[in-house]
Amino acid sequence: QQPVQSPQAVILREGEDAVINCSSSKALYSVHWYRQKHGEAPVFLMILLKGGEQKGHDKISASFNEKKQQSSLYLTASQLSYSGTYFCGTYDGSGSARQLTFGSGTQLTVLP
Amino acid sequence: DAGITQSPRHKVTETGTPVTLRCHQTENHRYMYWYRQDPGHGLRLIHYSYGVKDTDKGEVSDGYSVSRSKTEDFLLTLESATSSQTSVYFCAISERWVEQYFGPGTRLTVT
Repeated sequence: QQPVQSPQAVILREGEDAVINCSSSKALYSVHWYRQKHGEAPVFLMILLKGGEQKGHDKISASFNEKKQQSSLYLTASQLSYSGTYFCGTYDGSGSARQLTFGSGTQLTVLP
Repeated sequence: DAGITQSPRHKVTETGTPVTLRCHQTENHRYMYWYRQDPGHGLRLIHYSYGVKDTDKGEVSDGYSVSRSKTEDFLLTLESATSSQTSVYFCAISERWVEQYFGPGTRLTVT
């Protein structure tokens, strides 16, 4: 079942913060976050594993609440380059091929 | 960037014709995936492979078949294309628990 992302879209000014949420109705083993710019392929940002700590690089970080089956992506002091569509991909631990189920995406627009 | 290419990058075809999309990797990754991306649906898994000649269905596999005769190549075939298969198709590769690397995509239009 597809995870639910919120909000669907967000517009903010350069330097502002944003939070993107991803929730699932299934128990999760891991959550992946990707960013896709218009006309390009999705690019991996980070993975959060069950039992793992909060991850982050530069001013983008994420958390994983295993009890609530939720993950949040935090973008701090947004830059113009952060614009794009953000997808979470979830893995529930079943199956053998590491299949991810992706949310429908959150479109983030950063204005100067 | 991961060595992953897709061909063709763009294709226009007519309803009822067969179409084959190719994904080629130079990373020797075990897992390969085919996704389609449509507005409002995100990325949906069509088929995946976990080794040479080992493939399985994904969420939206009806109307599609795949083959993997070599580690580096993963083919997606639409036996008889329909307008509902107009989409952007992405191939991805991965190794176990780490990230998936996506190819540049193929934009397919079925008229």
